[in-house]
This record gives sequence, C-alpha cells and structure tokens, in this order.
Amino acid sequence: KAGVTQTPRYLIKTRGQQVTLSCSPISGHRSVSWYQQTPGQGLQFLFEYFSETQRNKGNFPGRFSGRQFSNSRSEMNVSTLELGDSALYLCASSFSSGGAGEQFFGPGTRLTVL
Amino acid sequence: AQKVTQAQTEISVVEKEDVTLDCVYETRDTTYYLFWYKQPPSGELVFLIRRNSFDEQNEISGRYSWNFQKSTSSFNFTITASQVVDSAVYFCALSGVAGSARQLTFGSGTQLTVLP
Repeated sequence: KAGVTQTPRYLIKTRGQQVTLSCSPISGHRSVSWYQQTPGQGLQFLFEYFSETQRNKGNFPGRFSGRQFSNSRSEMNVSTLELGDSALYLCASSFSSGGAGEQFFGPGTRLTVL
Repeated sequence: AQKVTQAQTEISVVEKEDVTLDCVYETRDTTYYLFWYKQPPSGELVFLIRRNSFDEQNEISGRYSWNFQKSTSSFNFTITASQVVDSAVYFCALSGVAGSARQLTFGSGTQLTVLP
C-alpha cells in the first residue's frame, strides 16, 4: 500500500509570492491534516479536511488555506509569502476524522522563502 | 487548551544504554489520546504508539515501552538497549475528541543521539 505522498519536496519562493502544496493520502483515507514545522514554533496544526470539508483549523492567518478534492487529495495554499513561512510542511492522512486516530505522515515539503 | 511538554531537548547515550524520554501533558478533557512519533533525519514522522485516557496499562513492544500515569499527567517512553538506529527526534502528542481539541498538539521534541 502506497504511503502519503507530497509534492513538491522542495520549493524556493520570494516574499509576496504564493505557493500551492499537494498531498495524496493513503488509498481509502478520507482525512488529511496539515502541519507546519519550524525550529522556533515546532509542529503546529494548520487544518484538517475530511470528505472535502474543513473539519478543524489551527491558529494561522487567513493567508493559509486549503481544500480537498473528491479523491481525497488535498492542497494547501499560502498567499503573500513572508520570510517566517519558511518551514517543513507535513501532511498526514487518517481513515477517520479528528486527531484521535493513527495519522500517517508524508515526507513533507520544505519551503524556503527568500 | 491542550499542552504537551517535553523538557528534555537533547539526550545523548552510548549504544546499549537504556534511555527514558519524558512527556507531561495538560488537558481539561476527560477523554483524550496520547501518541509518540519518531522523526528520523529524513523528516517523515513515524507513528510509534497511541494510548487512550482510559487505558493506563503500560505497554511493551520489543525494546520500546511506555508508562502512562494519569495521576502525574505523564506518558514516558523508554528504549531499552538503545541502538544507533534509534537516533532521531521523538515527539509526544495529545489529541482531544471534541471540537477544536480534535487535533494533534505536539511537544517540542527530544533529540536522541545514540553513540556507537
């Protein structure tokens, strides 16, 4: 069974640009959660999508958004990039919604904002 | 609000030593789940264990064991006879089951280095 895949793996952008990251969950999983990992703030929850609906959202500004498609693939978008958005963005898939189930993580997308 | 504290930022041991990683959590929920994840240098988080708040039985899986004590709000992780391949960052996490608590709240992680 294929694991969670994330594309691209690395990305370099400049301030003010926008970026879209993609996550394909494990087959059969309908929940996708996104996390931001930085040296200063650690791992922080961004949002969770389940069956194309946002179920939960972390404490991030509106520049961070996401969506989920009918095949459970998810994208997250960051608009008007800031230097502080440089981070490893991880997505995780789960069979059920909410954080209580076992979440399988992808390898992450390393975003660098110059 | 949920909070997870991993007070040990870095731990270094010599191969074959036992090592315990501490995790203390805070939550107002009566039902919650606790997790441990391993993050090797490749960056991908690897699930190790999930425990619900009603199950305080200790668990052992090979060289890994977990000690859950609700009285002290702790969920500690012990690696017996450590190996170089155990070197990684280990995260403890907590999730509630209702409302905005239905998300993983991670501790800051403990960098474990096992020296040969």
